[in-house]
Amino acid sequence: NAGVTQTPKFRVLKTGQSMTLLCAQDMNHEYMYWYRQDPGMGLRLIHYSVGEGTTAKGEVPDGYNVSRLKKQNFLLGLESAAPSQTSVYFCASSYTGSRLAGGPDTQYFGPGTRLTVL
Amino acid sequence: EDQVTQSPEALRLQEGESSSLNCSYTVSGLRGLFWYRQDPGKGPEFLFTLYSAGEEKEKERLKATLTKKESFLHITAPKPEDSATYLCAVQAYSNYQLIWGAGTKLIIKP
Repeated sequence: NAGVTQTPKFRVLKTGQSMTLLCAQDMNHEYMYWYRQDPGMGLRLIHYSVGEGTTAKGEVPDGYNVSRLKKQNFLLGLESAAPSQTSVYFCASSYTGSRLAGGPDTQYFGPGTRLTVL
Repeated sequence: EDQVTQSPEALRLQEGESSSLNCSYTVSGLRGLFWYRQDPGKGPEFLFTLYSAGEEKEKERLKATLTKKESFLHITAPKPEDSATYLCAVQAYSNYQLIWGAGTKLIIKP
């Protein structure tokens, strides 16, 4: 049981280049999330997905796109990287985010991708 | 506006010196408050979920408590391996997205 995995672990881009970060989970979770973490700030939600084929914007979605073609995978794309996107990116997954579920909504995180945009 | 503030930003303790970390929050209808531990270069690792004021949870040297305005993470007789950044997050009934604090960096010196 690998949990949540992310590839790549590190990446350096030049301004204007594009890339895709891959997140995979083997816990059969419905919900998946992409966050960025910057020094001195809390985790900020970029995009999330409530199920296969669905995506939604979070707090800081500009400059990013996502896709959830398979339940176990959640891709984060940067179409034209900017230095402001230098950050550590975390993927997370959870059983459910619905308030109707009544149960815990613990998010489980991957190891992160450290991205530098020059 | 839903908000989470953690204090202090950093805390240095001697091994065995007990202390507490604070997580103050404002949220319209708290569904849950979460504590995570994050080691350098790694993803956050889940510790506890608290749901209602007065609730307490323990794990080894850690105990989390919750009131209507804040949560405390008490660390009893800490060891160097407890050194990490501790993150707090809240979830409201109106929006299941987590609102995160900036974290407290805890350093335990042997």
